[in-house]
Amino acid sequence: DGGITQSPKYLFRKEGQNVTLSCEQNLNHDAMYWYRQDPGQGLRLIYYSQIVNDFQKGDIAEGYSVSREKKESFPLTVTSAQKNPTAFYLCASSMGGGSFNDQPQHFGDGTRLSIL
Amino acid sequence: DQQVKQNSPSLSVQEGRISILNCDYTNSMFDYFLWYKKYPAEGPTFLISISSIKDKNEDGRFTVFLNKSAKHLSLHIVPSQPGDSAVYFCAASKRNYGQNFVFGPGTRLSVLP
Repeated sequence: DGGITQSPKYLFRKEGQNVTLSCEQNLNHDAMYWYRQDPGQGLRLIYYSQIVNDFQKGDIAEGYSVSREKKESFPLTVTSAQKNPTAFYLCASSMGGGSFNDQPQHFGDGTRLSIL
Repeated sequence: DQQVKQNSPSLSVQEGRISILNCDYTNSMFDYFLWYKKYPAEGPTFLISISSIKDKNEDGRFTVFLNKSAKHLSLHIVPSQPGDSAVYFCAASKRNYGQNFVFGPGTRLSVLP
């Protein structure tokens, strides 16, 4: 079945450590996104990539980094510079690779990151 | 400053009745709107969308209404079923600027049997 796979489902990080969240899709989508969800808030965009080897900062990119070496994969690294990393992280993809696109985003099931 | 607002954090409806979820936005350049449904520990699932050239879009039990002058959209679910109990997110985007959706905080719908 086509879809988006995020792993792990739960992740614990020690302070000062970098951690990488995995996101893989087999939908042949061009665009991929990372969001963060905090209690009582909507999804906030961290980074997005409209095409391989290119990515852009979203609204809350500080303390995060990404790479897009393959169309199928868009890993997110939460660095030690992110002061409040505890949250639910969602990866999404869509067919939209450029502007003017009406395609909705498809989401993975998320990774919950907690600080030890 | 929230560009997309869902002012009701929660809503309870009796099974078989209509559920109405509301969403307001502040940016008049938004021209594409979506509703997502989210169950606990899962990612959001796309439900229905509407372009600003329309004022209504219907898909089975789900209808989205858009009032551009009021910058308001609503999702109607009729009849409501217990399986509809979830958190519903409204999202908006400016298509000509790519697809960076802005999400509302969500409304938790509980459909009571």
